[in-house]
Amino acid sequence: NFMLTQPHSVSESPGKTVTISCTRSSGSIASNYVQWYQQRPDSAPTPVIYEDNHRPSGVPDRFSGSIDSSSNSASLTISGLKTEDEADYYCQSYDTTWVFGGGTKLTVL
Amino acid sequence: EVQLVESGGGLVQPGGSLRLSCAVSGFTFNSHWMHWVRQAPGKGLVWVSHISSDGIDTKYADSVKGRFTISRDSAKNTVYLQMNSLRAEDTAVYYCARDVGVEFDYWGQGTLVTVSS
Repeated sequence: NFMLTQPHSVSESPGKTVTISCTRSSGSIASNYVQWYQQRPDSAPTPVIYEDNHRPSGVPDRFSGSIDSSSNSASLTISGLKTEDEADYYCQSYDTTWVFGGGTKLTVL
Repeated sequence: EVQLVESGGGLVQPGGSLRLSCAVSGFTFNSHWMHWVRQAPGKGLVWVSHISSDGIDTKYADSVKGRFTISRDSAKNTVYLQMNSLRAEDTAVYYCARDVGVEFDYWGQGTLVTVSS
């Protein structure tokens, strides 16, 4: 099966924009949808992006997703950062089994 | 309101067994695949197992294959994870999650399994 690689951590200031990458190790990133989950401390994960670039109901449009076949990666972009966006973010996809990325800790300072 | 409530976690010795339960409510249980996902202390999410809506198809991560068994009871609206031959590296919070075809849209609050002597 494949792996999804994310940066361990990113940080940015409130009001700015941050992008978190998720690189697929083998197989095309476009062959299976990518989802993104937000996990705040001591809480269960919640989806923020599904099917590469769709937002679940209730997720603000500050969150957006994309894929780039040239780099075989997906990206989560959060604009207008708020302190409440500080959390761990995980990408996830599927081939023969379900795979999560290692997670990225977003610090908003 | 959709709810998933895990139970059954606890402290168990290496080599021991535990059965986790995930009781669901607020949706048509028989219409959804279900999953177990775990998270070791301070670590990331790891997919563990899946079961189809009719209970016929199951899949497992290589790390638990042959030791864990997923099942479901439609009369009780509950998914189970039978965990045998437990190892220290199985120590984690175990979440159940509902699959809506692509994403895991609802998750339980998790139950902690600690494997230690």
